Amino acid sequence: GESVGLHLPTLSVQEGDNSIINCAYSNSASDYFIWYKQESGKGPQFIIDIRSNMDKRQGQRVTVLLNKTVKHLSLQIAATQPGDSAVYFCAENSGGSNYKLTFGKGTLLTVNP
Amino acid sequence: DVKVTQSSRYLVKRTGEKVFLECVQDMDHENMFWYRQDPGLGLRLIYFSYDVKMKEKGDIPEGYSVSREKKERFSLILESASTNQTSMYLCASLKGLNTGELFFGEGSRLTVL
Repeated sequence: GESVGLHLPTLSVQEGDNSIINCAYSNSASDYFIWYKQESGKGPQFIIDIRSNMDKRQGQRVTVLLNKTVKHLSLQIAATQPGDSAVYFCAENSGGSNYKLTFGKGTLLTVNP
Repeated sequence: DVKVTQSSRYLVKRTGEKVFLECVQDMDHENMFWYRQDPGLGLRLIYFSYDVKMKEKGDIPEGYSVSREKKERFSLILESASTNQTSMYLCASLKGLNTGELFFGEGSRLTVL
């Protein structure tokens, strides 16, 4: 899993499997969370966001789960594809505004064919 | 296709040189950001601008300045480059301040010798 303050963790999965990327956030006052994907040589790309009044939010092949009790966020990717190989970052609005984000250090997801 | 364009993908400069990093967005967004990305440290906010000629310091503004003369263009300036400013610099734009959906450029990798 991922947490602010740790070196980049890695996750390796087989194509077609489901992936779960974890993130422990630090600020109990944070009420908005985002996942970004960064492919090699590119800038981060928004995947999905969730506000603290929700526990779960679904997108296309992705689901974000929020557990405020333990300050934990996860990104689930269904039927992982080679194109999903990237670094995934979680971010929280620990600065109090939705646009002042604190980013985690990322998790490297590798999808094996 | 919406776009944030960073004019230089790779730059090599010498210590003490003045460096300009340029960023242009075509989405008519009011808000623009400069981040630096370093291994083990994630993305850190240098400066952001919420309107033409308006700016606000981020978490690590020391050694940097910015310029926003036109809505679509946000420049990052290193007045006197130092080796510890060797990094990947990412520009981003944001439509409104009630969201964290940043649109990133592909990055400018700066090496200061």
